[in-house]
Amino acid sequence: EVQLVESGGGLVQSGGSLRLSCAASGFTFTSYGMSWVRQAPGKGLEWVSTITGSGGNTYYGDSVKGRFTVSRDNSKNTVFLQVNGLRAEDTAVYYCAKVDRISAPGMFDYWGQGTLVTVSS
Amino acid sequence: QVVLTQSPSASASLGASVKVTCSLSSGHSSYSIAWHQQQPEKGPRFLMKLNSDGSHSKGDGIPDRFSGSSSGAERYLTISSLQSEDEADYYCQTWGTGIEVFGGGTKLTVL
Repeated sequence: EVQLVESGGGLVQSGGSLRLSCAASGFTFTSYGMSWVRQAPGKGLEWVSTITGSGGNTYYGDSVKGRFTVSRDNSKNTVFLQVNGLRAEDTAVYYCAKVDRISAPGMFDYWGQGTLVTVSS
Repeated sequence: QVVLTQSPSASASLGASVKVTCSLSSGHSSYSIAWHQQQPEKGPRFLMKLNSDGSHSKGDGIPDRFSGSSSGAERYLTISSLQSEDEADYYCQTWGTGIEVFGGGTKLTVL
């Protein structure tokens, strides 16, 4: 059974940083890309970032480029999102999602339960 | 760059059928999409991958009541025999070179 468990969210002041983690199990981690997707309160889903299976390629949405960094530790089956320079508009639930292929981007076929990031001004 | 357009809302009666639409922007009618369901206060759940020829493959445990179809640049999610738990937000998603894209979502109300 595929499981994705996010952690690391919390309350942070504007301009602050957090490191989100997503622990994966139930599949061959290195064979799949991984992504982060966020959802602001009352809003729709917004793609944040994707990393390929090897970690060699990363992609970012325009609203987070230069502030967020995605990485993965394939020895620990974990993907990370380092979020810096946080703004009020970054307040959202951050979801981890598994991509259906190694050479991301691609379709999301499994989702985590999310971790809430709240930025106070 | 591909854009996905969805109607903000839809409604249908308990036990009836409903079709939710996702429209691909001009020049992108060959794209495959994915449908995701998000029930209130829950994370998203993958429903199915839908190809331009209408073929689709569903996620784990998705009931037969959920099906997909395609026509040109339109991608459809049909839910038959509506149940109360089908009341949710439905999102379409596609992908391109270095990018993932979501539609704005359709809020389905079961009357």
